[in-house]
This record gives sequence, C-alpha cells and structure tokens, in this order.
Amino acid sequence: GAGVSQSPSNKVTEKGKDVELRCDPISGHTALYWYRQSLGQGLEFLIYFQGNSAPDKSGLPSDRFSAERTGGSVSTLTIQRTQQEDSAVYLCASSLGGGTTGEQYFGPGTRLTVT
Amino acid sequence: DAKTTQPPSMDCAEGRAANLPCNHSTISGNEYVYWYRQIHSQGPQYIIHGLKNNETNEMASLIITEDRKSSTLILPHATLRDTAVYYCIVRGPESTGNQFYFGTGTSLTVIP
Repeated sequence: GAGVSQSPSNKVTEKGKDVELRCDPISGHTALYWYRQSLGQGLEFLIYFQGNSAPDKSGLPSDRFSAERTGGSVSTLTIQRTQQEDSAVYLCASSLGGGTTGEQYFGPGTRLTVT
Repeated sequence: DAKTTQPPSMDCAEGRAANLPCNHSTISGNEYVYWYRQIHSQGPQYIIHGLKNNETNEMASLIITEDRKSSTLILPHATLRDTAVYYCIVRGPESTGNQFYFGTGTSLTVIP
C-alpha cells in the first residue's frame, strides 16, 4: 500500500524566502510528526499532530516555523524568511495514533538547501 | 522522556549476529523501548519495540533486562544491507503526548 509521501524531494531556496513542505500521511493514520535532520546528526522533533487535538509545537525552533494539518490528513510545514541554518532534511512520519504504541512510518524526506 | 545512550559505532562481520546495546537507566514504568534504523539517504525504518518482555519479529530480536535499564537489539545474521544507523528510543503511549526523541544512534557497518 501507499506509504508516507513528501514533496518536493529537494528544494533550493534563497535566504529570506518562504518555503512550504508537504506531507501526505498513510490513510487512516491520525498521528503525524515532523522532524528535521541536519547533516550527520540525529533527528530533531519539530511538531506533532494527533487527531483534532491542538498540536504539540514544543520542538519548533523559532516562530519562523509553523505547520498545519488540514482535514486531519495532509500537513504543510512552512518556514518563513529562511536562514542558512534551516538547511536540513525535513522528515514526516505518521502512525495509527489514538493512544496506541504503534510504530511511526517515515516518508523519504525533503532536502532543503538555503543559499 | 528517558534518555538513551548508545555506542557511536560498531562493526559486524557479514553472517554473524550483530548485538547493539542501549542504556536507558531513567526509563519509567509506562515507557516502551523502540528501535529504528536509517539507511543512508532514507527515512528511518521501524524495527521492533517492547515494554518488558523480550520480543522477536522477522527483522530482529529485542532483549530487555529485568530492571529495564538496558536493552540489546540482535540482528541474527547480519547482511551488508543492514549497514545503517540504529536508534534506540524510549517513549510512553501516544495518548500521554510523549514524543520520539532520536539521539545520534549507533552506526553499524557490516563487513564482507
């Protein structure tokens, strides 16, 4: 079946521009996560959506970062006024959620390069 | 969330068992131990998880000590395709709002 998909796969942008990254979770998964991974580093948690609950934004590094999830499905991560330190691979994951301990399924990521 | 400690790197001969250790001495009673791996340039892949009993699936076995302060992931017959970074994570049920916190993991290299 279809897994988690992300678009674009690669994005090069100039410093100061805004970017939008998209995530399509697995159908029926109520939980959705965004992470970022800088070169040679582990994953850094950014934000978590669970059903219709208010998202857990505790990992967002600054107010330039925001995310929304429309209709409990597709999510968009927006980075405003991008900086060079925003360059990383942005990974999205989904899971069944609902209080389960199920595993997260990751997408292939979006590689963001800020020049 | 409990912090985990893993060795930064390990080597394993092809065909031999790979035993990857993880310390999680501050784990709490409702936190599970999860293992993921990340092959170069791909998203992380779920391997296995457990609470206190040992677990086995088609990919690996997970051995959790009785005091739950450490665990070992076992790949019984490592292949070259098992070369990856392996992450040990502890977290509670999603209903508690706990998140996955990935450390830097163990970089496993399977040697021909």
